[in-house]
Amino acid sequence: DTGVSQDPRHKITKRGQNVTFRCDPISEHNRLYWYRQTLGQGPEFLTYFQNEAQLEKSRLLSDRFSAERPKGSFSTLEIQRTEQGDSAMYLCASSRDRGFTDTQYFGPGTRLTVL
Amino acid sequence: AQSVTQLDSHVSVSEGTPVLLRCNYSSSYSPSLFWYVQHPNKGLQLLLKYTSAATLVKGINGFEAEFKKSETSFHLTKPSAHMSDAAEYFCVVSLNSGYSTLTFGKGTMLLVSP
Repeated sequence: DTGVSQDPRHKITKRGQNVTFRCDPISEHNRLYWYRQTLGQGPEFLTYFQNEAQLEKSRLLSDRFSAERPKGSFSTLEIQRTEQGDSAMYLCASSRDRGFTDTQYFGPGTRLTVL
Repeated sequence: AQSVTQLDSHVSVSEGTPVLLRCNYSSSYSPSLFWYVQHPNKGLQLLLKYTSAATLVKGINGFEAEFKKSETSFHLTKPSAHMSDAAEYFCVVSLNSGYSTLTFGKGTMLLVSP
């Protein structure tokens, strides 16, 4: 169990550029979540995958955001035409379906700065 | 709908003294409750969770929390603070039914002085 990993850890981009983040969940975890954390706030839910299927999306996830999880393993989160308001920490979490409330394990996050 | 209110944005204690971080929740259904800790430049780490079993939950590093339904509270305590406990703590609620998205409080920064 090597934990959830995220890449890159930091990303600085100019407004209008596209960025893509990657998340590798704990192996055999079939559930994967993306959250966003802004300064001084707790993380907010963005989207959820069960295996390769994206089952829930927050209204925070505008049309400029897209997430994928091909083959039910790693996941990518892409932001198109970045805006300064997108600057935040993007967190990935994974869990294993145990038929009851699962425990989510978080990665270290990707900190995005949009100039 | 569910929500969490952490009553203090900052708590300062001296090393060796007790810690109390307060959390109140609101949930339409029977909730699961969690406390996560976030150290600078590190990921969120689960301290403990409540899922309708024993109301007093013991976690890692000497932390524990008590679920009080009548008060809709889930306060986090530790008998004796250590310098390494300095971090941000998040109270979290989710629906007690399989997968569920987490709803976080705004966090409480714990400061520990020597």
